[in-house]
Amino acid sequence: DGGITQSPKYLFRKEGQNVTLSCEQNLNHDAMYWYRQDPGQGLRLIYYSQIVNDFQKGDIAEGYSVSREKKESFPLTVTSAQKNPTAFYLCASSIGAGPVNTEAFFGQGTRLTVV
Amino acid sequence: AQKVTQAQTEISVVEKEDVTLDCVYETRDTTYYLFWYKQPPSGELVFLIRRNSFDEQNEISGRYSWNFQKSTSSFNFTITASQVVDSAVYFCALSESLTGANNLFFGTGTRLTVIP
Repeated sequence: DGGITQSPKYLFRKEGQNVTLSCEQNLNHDAMYWYRQDPGQGLRLIYYSQIVNDFQKGDIAEGYSVSREKKESFPLTVTSAQKNPTAFYLCASSIGAGPVNTEAFFGQGTRLTVV
Repeated sequence: AQKVTQAQTEISVVEKEDVTLDCVYETRDTTYYLFWYKQPPSGELVFLIRRNSFDEQNEISGRYSWNFQKSTSSFNFTITASQVVDSAVYFCALSESLTGANNLFFGTGTRLTVIP
């Protein structure tokens, strides 16, 4: 089945450690996105990529890094520089580059907890 | 700057009641797109509808209907005869065409609880 797969579903990290969240899509979409969701704040954009080997910062990119070496993969690394990393992370993709004029498809999310 | 406001943080209704979720947006673009997504307890966002700024026709899909009014910058969502399965968080989102910000701007969501 086509879709977006995020792994793991739950992730625990010790303070000071980097951790990488996986996002894979088999929809042949050009654009991919990472959002962070906190209670009462909706979704905020961390990074997005419209094409392989290119990505742009979103509204809250500090403390995060991404790569887009393959069209189907857009991993997100939460670094130790991210001061408040505990959140729900959602990955999404949409068909083309440019303005989002078609629906985005979302993964089931990764809940990251810093312990 | 773009902005999406969902003033209703939480709504509770009794099953079979109708409920309207409000969405007000701000944009300077003349070409933009509006979306509604549903987030069930499982976490993923499920696409419900997309509207472009040139199409103000209201839309009905089963028990769901949407009222897009450019004059008031609103894109409200009504569920008729609500069911327990409608319980979820609903997000309104905006995408602009000309600013180069190629992503979705989300409201803070409305949590709908349908009581059996």
